[in-house]
Amino acid sequence: KAGVTQTPRYLIKTRGQQVTLSCSPISGHRSVSWYQQTPGQGLQFLFEYFSETQRNKGNFPGRFSGRQFSNSRSEMNVSTLELGDSALYLCASSSSGATEAFFGQGTRLTVV
Amino acid sequence: AQSVSQHNHHVILSEAASLELGCNYSYGGTVNLFWYVQYPGQHLQLLLKYFSGDPLVKGIKGFEAEFIKSKFSFNLRKPSVQWSDTAEYFCAVNDDDYKLSFGAGTTVTVRA
Repeated sequence: KAGVTQTPRYLIKTRGQQVTLSCSPISGHRSVSWYQQTPGQGLQFLFEYFSETQRNKGNFPGRFSGRQFSNSRSEMNVSTLELGDSALYLCASSSSGATEAFFGQGTRLTVV
Repeated sequence: AQSVSQHNHHVILSEAASLELGCNYSYGGTVNLFWYVQYPGQHLQLLLKYFSGDPLVKGIKGFEAEFIKSKFSFNLRKPSVQWSDTAEYFCAVNDDDYKLSFGAGTTVTVRA
């Protein structure tokens, strides 16, 4: 059974640009959530989607957005990138959002 | 909002020593509890989980954790660590709002 797949693995962007990250969940999982991991703030919840609906959102500015498609694949977008957005972005999938979550390898975003 | 505290930032042990990592959470209602591990260069992996029932749960690689509801705690233990247990360990709590709240993590270094 394939795990959670995130693409790309690494990204380097310039301040002010925007970026889109992709996540393919484990087959059959309908819940996809996103987390930002930084050395200073640890793992912070961004948002969660289930059947194309956002059910919860963390305390991030509106520059961070996401969506989920009918096949459960999800994307997150960060507009007007800032240096502080440099982080490892993790995607997790679960069957319902309340059961155990399985994490992908993450996308390492560097903003210069 | 749920907050999760991990008692130790960095633990250094010798092989065969016993390990115990503390975790406390703030919300007193129904919670699902998890320990995740992140080996160097790898993605977050689930070590064990507690949803209900026996408060002593066993996970992979010889790890176990005990849920003490009265203390809002979910401590991780391993009787005898190996060099390969060197990793970062995260306690996480899900309280029915479709997100995981993570502790800051504990870096465990096992000396051969």
